[in-house]
Amino acid sequence: DQQVKQNSPSLSVQEGRISILNCDYTNSMFDYFLWYKKYPAEGPTFLISISSIKDKNEDGRFTVFLNKSAKHLSLHIVPSQPGDSAVYFCAARPPGAGSYQLTFGKGTKLSVIP
Amino acid sequence: GAGVSQSPSNKVTEKGKDVELRCDPISGHTALYWYRQSLGQGLEFLIYFQGNSAPDKSGLPSDRFSAERTGGSVSTLTIQRTQQEDSAVYLCASRGAGYEQYFGPGTRLTVT
Repeated sequence: DQQVKQNSPSLSVQEGRISILNCDYTNSMFDYFLWYKKYPAEGPTFLISISSIKDKNEDGRFTVFLNKSAKHLSLHIVPSQPGDSAVYFCAARPPGAGSYQLTFGKGTKLSVIP
Repeated sequence: GAGVSQSPSNKVTEKGKDVELRCDPISGHTALYWYRQSLGQGLEFLIYFQGNSAPDKSGLPSDRFSAERTGGSVSTLTIQRTQQEDSAVYLCASRGAGYEQYFGPGTRLTVT
């Protein structure tokens, strides 16, 4: 049973426009969420994170929004650039002291069209 | 500084053979994770090492899979009697003080 779901396997966006990547989760006890970006033939790289006590975290062109009541988070990239084309993974930290495992979604492939 | 490194980057092996995959974590990171990513799937947790504690092996799919971490640094993932369904990208990650995990480039394993 998937606890972290990324229902869109792919997304295409025009350069300069906003990219919105979505992630849903089922476990309301998740307390920390992360986004990773992965280029082909490379490992995922950490992008941005948010704690469950916040509803927004911004870092440059990247903003993550968390809606706890809907168990939904989204990553906004604005403006989108061709170099943003990659697979984006959403991840969540299960609750529990000392719990450092992450549960990952299956990823969304973003293509930014020049 | 140096990131997580993995070797080999690619490995092709025949069904039934054993393989060893290596991970060098970021210096000073006490936590080390192994994941695998099969085609079209997300990252599947395999095993987690934290310092000198007993590893969390709850993600290992069968007893053909094992991992060691020597001296709290380098780790080796061993797959015995490989099967075609073992074909995947095997990713290693290390973590320091925060929650973020830092991944290596992965080893692409193909079992023929």
